[in-house]
Order: sequence, then structure tokens, then C-alpha cells
Amino acid sequence: DTGVSQNPRHKITKRGQNVTFRCDPISEHNRLYWYRQTLGQGPEFLTYFQNEAQLEKSRLLSDRFSAERPKGSFSTLEIQRTEQGDSAMYLCASSSGTAGEQYFGPGTRLTVT
Amino acid sequence: AQTVTQSQPEMSVQEAETVTLSCTYDTSESDYYLFWYKQPPSRQMILVIRQEAYKQQNATENRFSVNFQKAAKSFSLKISDSQLGDAAMYFCAFKTGANSKLTFGKGITLSVRP
Repeated sequence: DTGVSQNPRHKITKRGQNVTFRCDPISEHNRLYWYRQTLGQGPEFLTYFQNEAQLEKSRLLSDRFSAERPKGSFSTLEIQRTEQGDSAMYLCASSSGTAGEQYFGPGTRLTVT
Repeated sequence: AQTVTQSQPEMSVQEAETVTLSCTYDTSESDYYLFWYKQPPSRQMILVIRQEAYKQQNATENRFSVNFQKAAKSFSLKISDSQLGDAAMYFCAFKTGANSKLTFGKGITLSVRP
């Protein structure tokens, strides 16, 4: 069990560019979540997958955001036409089982200049 | 909608002493889960402890224990024998079912004085 991994750990991009983040969950965890965390705040839910199906999306997830989880393994989160307000830490978590405890990755810190 | 409130932004504790971090929540659900997560500076979120709402017994994990008051919708975390490594941001979180998303409070920054 190597834990949840996320790549890249840091991303600096210019406003208007597209970025893509990857999350590899704990193996055999069938549920995967994306959250966004801004400085000094708690994480806010973005979207959730059970296997390859995207079951819930937050209103925070504008049309510029898209997430996929092909084959129910790793997931990608893409942000198109980035804005300065997208600067945040993007966290991925995975879970399984009855209680569904979520285990978090180290996050990808996005800075939009 | 569920809400989680952590009203204390910062707390400080002397090494080896005990500290209690407060959390309240609001929900109309009867079955749910509560969690405390620890986030050290520039490091990833770590699950500290979990409480199922249907269990009357308070959860305990080594030096960490909770005081779960369901009627009052209160869920506090007690850290005994505080250590320097306990310094971190602590988040209280809530979810309604195994599959659902977590709702977090704003967090509390705990510092430990040597």
C-alpha cells in the first residue's frame, strides 16, 4: 500500500493556459474524490467517482473543469483557460469499505500568474 | 445542507499537556460519520480519528480521543501528552454515508510549546 499519489506536486502556469493533474489512488479503492483547498481554509469538494463513473459534481466545478477516471484506476483533473482564482491546492482522496474513510494524497499546488 | 464549525482559529499547548479542540456541526441526518484530520505544514492530510454517529462510545486512538455529544451536535478532539509533532492544522469533517463527500470546517492551527 503506497498511499495516494498526485502529480505534479507544483504547477505554475500563465492565465489562459490549460493544466492537467493526475491522481493515483490506493490500489483497489473504488471511490476517488477531488477537493480544492485555498490558504487557511478547509478543503472543498469538487467531484467524486465510484469506479469509472462520475457520480457527483459540485457547483464549484465550472465548465472549465473536467475530470475523468478511465478504467476506474487513476484520475485526471483538467482546468481549461486558467484564471487567477484557480490558484489553490488540489487534493485527491480515495476510499473503500463501509465507513469510507478517505485517505488523501499530497496535493498539487497550482499557481496561476 | 450540512455545515461544520470550528470557531477557534488558533490554540497553543505546552508539551506534555492536554488540549481540546472544538467542533460543532449541523445536519438533519441521523446516520453519519465524523472525522478529525491533521495537516502538518506543507504536508499531506492525515486521518486522526473517526466516529460513527450510531455508536455511543467515544472513539480513542492512542493519545487522541473524542467527546461526541450527538444531541448537542458537538465533536471535540482531546490530545493527551502533547508532542512537538502534534503541531499542525486540525480539521473536523463530516459525511453522511460511506459514499458521500466530506464537509470540512475551516480548521484550527495548533502550536505546541517546548
